[in-house]
Amino acid sequence: GENVEQHPSTLSVQEGDSAVIKCTYSDSASNYFPWYKQELGKRPQLIIDIRSNVGEKKDQRIAVTLNKTAKHFSLHITETQPEDSAVYFCAASPSSSGNTGKLIFGQGTTLQVKP
Amino acid sequence: EAQVTQNPRYLITVTGKKLTVTCSQNMNHEYMSWYRQDPGLGLRQIYYSMNVEVTDKGDVPEGYKVSRKEKRNFPLILESPSPNQTSLYFCASSFSGDRFFGPGTRLTVL
Repeated sequence: GENVEQHPSTLSVQEGDSAVIKCTYSDSASNYFPWYKQELGKRPQLIIDIRSNVGEKKDQRIAVTLNKTAKHFSLHITETQPEDSAVYFCAASPSSSGNTGKLIFGQGTTLQVKP
Repeated sequence: EAQVTQNPRYLITVTGKKLTVTCSQNMNHEYMSWYRQDPGLGLRQIYYSMNVEVTDKGDVPEGYKVSRKEKRNFPLILESPSPNQTSLYFCASSFSGDRFFGPGTRLTVL
């Protein structure tokens, strides 16, 4: 069945360094890829998303890249700050709008940014 | 204020005692869904609804029921809860892409 694998499960970086989280997906029909950030005790919130017609998208210190041939996408956070510490989830959906029944999440990455 | 609300936020119950977790959104979104979150497993979809009276199973529907009689509400029903349904539950709504999550319901089944 459809599957999204996310790595690493935990990531510890020094403040100011970059962090990279990678996901692979199994369903080649997937063409919407959101990333969510979940702070401790809070709900997941969308931080960035990408659709299959683009290879990269940036929003300030956050960027996402997509390689449809290899079926993987990555989240890049530059100049990390302590407030970036959270659990990050990738997801894949077989619809360009994302407004479909299916959204498959990865297992999550706990990012710790040390001051 | 645009929001998704869930009730209750915390619930401790016993095996077999039917319960309902309510979810309501005020954004007129057509799409709503339920997820459960367990350590190391991420968020797994239980059920989703594309519109009123249209629902479908997600990845882990066993032991759960839903209904969508009105656009704003999407309750999750556990007819006979079991301990393996102890989890953190999130409701979400969406219009196009971005899913707005509710605050979560932490359920413990003894």
